[in-house]
Amino acid sequence: AQSVTQLGSHVSVSEGALVLLRCNYSSSVPPYLFWYVQYPNQGLQLLLKYTTGATLVKGINGFEAEFKKSETSFHLTKPSAHMSDAAEYFCAVSDRDNQGGKLIFGQGTELSVKP
Amino acid sequence: DAGVIQSPRHEVTEMGQEVTLRCKPISGHDYLFWYRQTMMRGLELLIYFNNNVPIDDSGMPEDRFSAKMPNASFSTLKIQPSEPRDSAVYFCASSPRLAGGPYEQYFGPGTRLTVT
Repeated sequence: AQSVTQLGSHVSVSEGALVLLRCNYSSSVPPYLFWYVQYPNQGLQLLLKYTTGATLVKGINGFEAEFKKSETSFHLTKPSAHMSDAAEYFCAVSDRDNQGGKLIFGQGTELSVKP
Repeated sequence: DAGVIQSPRHEVTEMGQEVTLRCKPISGHDYLFWYRQTMMRGLELLIYFNNNVPIDDSGMPEDRFSAKMPNASFSTLKIQPSEPRDSAVYFCASSPRLAGGPYEQYFGPGTRLTVT
């Protein structure tokens, strides 16, 4: 069965510093991979997704993620953190057989940005 | 597009009462998902529908929970009777059916349920 592990339930960075949020997945074949962001009191919003092709995926708000098959990872990065990036981030996977588009979510990582 | 619409945004009820949460998916989306989010358990998929038909309800915690989708533009999640442990934020999401996938899900703003 597929699973997603996000390392670190809470990450704190200074404004302007590199953001690195870690995600590892477990799947027999490379799945579709997603990062979602949840701002306080809001629903989840898609940041970026990996389907096929180029392993470095660019998303909204300056975020990007790299799919590394050998490491079964899909870490999210941003070169310079902004105060507005403070939110909870979820990594998710979807089986390529895509049984109804069901997503398996990680437990989430809360990102804090210090001034 | 107005996005996924959920109502009410907040609901406070007493234990034992019936609670009904409502969702209007994005027009043209074939899939609808109900999730529950709590601090302890994170984001849990409760049930999802394809073309108004329930496909997987294995995440529904117990018989007190039921969900319906009478048409393509409306779904309800009902809890009867409600219990304090049902307190959570409930999200509805919808996704289109795209040839070859992946199915990107669009989330509503959620309903914060408090059962006292």
